[in-house]
Amino acid sequence: SYVLTQPPSVSVAPGQTARITCGAKDIGTKSVHWYQQKPGQAPVLVVYDDRARPSGIPDRFSGSNSGNMATLTISRVEVGDEADYYCQVWDSRSDHWVFGGGTKLTVL
Amino acid sequence: QVTLRESGPALVKPTQTLTLTCTFSGFSLNTNGMCVSWIRQPPGKALEWLALIDWDDEKYYSTSVKTRLTISKDTSKSQVVLTMTNMDPVDTATYFCARISRGRDNWFDHWGQGTLVTVSS
Repeated sequence: SYVLTQPPSVSVAPGQTARITCGAKDIGTKSVHWYQQKPGQAPVLVVYDDRARPSGIPDRFSGSNSGNMATLTISRVEVGDEADYYCQVWDSRSDHWVFGGGTKLTVL
Repeated sequence: QVTLRESGPALVKPTQTLTLTCTFSGFSLNTNGMCVSWIRQPPGKALEWLALIDWDDEKYYSTSVKTRLTISKDTSKSQVVLTMTNMDPVDTATYFCARISRGRDNWFDHWGQGTLVTVSS
């Protein structure tokens, strides 16, 4: 099965840039989507198709994907960005929708 | 406005069958490209995809729980139903339904608020 690996936690000071990675073999050949989940809430899509943003998502959120690593970048981090972030792909070999293990973003 | 809402029992006993209903509005599951999926999240843990049904009534299941799951749709009621047999305490989780709107190889663009299911005797 296809496995997405995320760091358990990332810490950043307000105003700085946070980078959350999602690693897997040849992930650059797939489309990666990112979700933000705050405590007690449902996930919210923040980036789709590697780098596109849904309407209403600030341009501080951006994504990239190449080789064996996809990255969600949050610029000018705010306290309100503190949440769990999950990457997700569709694995065509298994017809499975796969999530990473999640990364807890802490804003110091 | 697209909305999804999960409903079902909050507590089930081990070995029982769980039935969850996702009632949605703002779209039709008859529309080409539309899919509804079930995803769960044990307390403090990551999201886990379970099952998906698409506009053409194609069904997909997670290999890890495939033998226990059945997903179905009732387009006249705008509902998708998931049944999971032989429930176990490890199945305790918040269960979400979510939509994909551009064909199954895409992203979940709308989610329900989730329903917590506890498995305990």
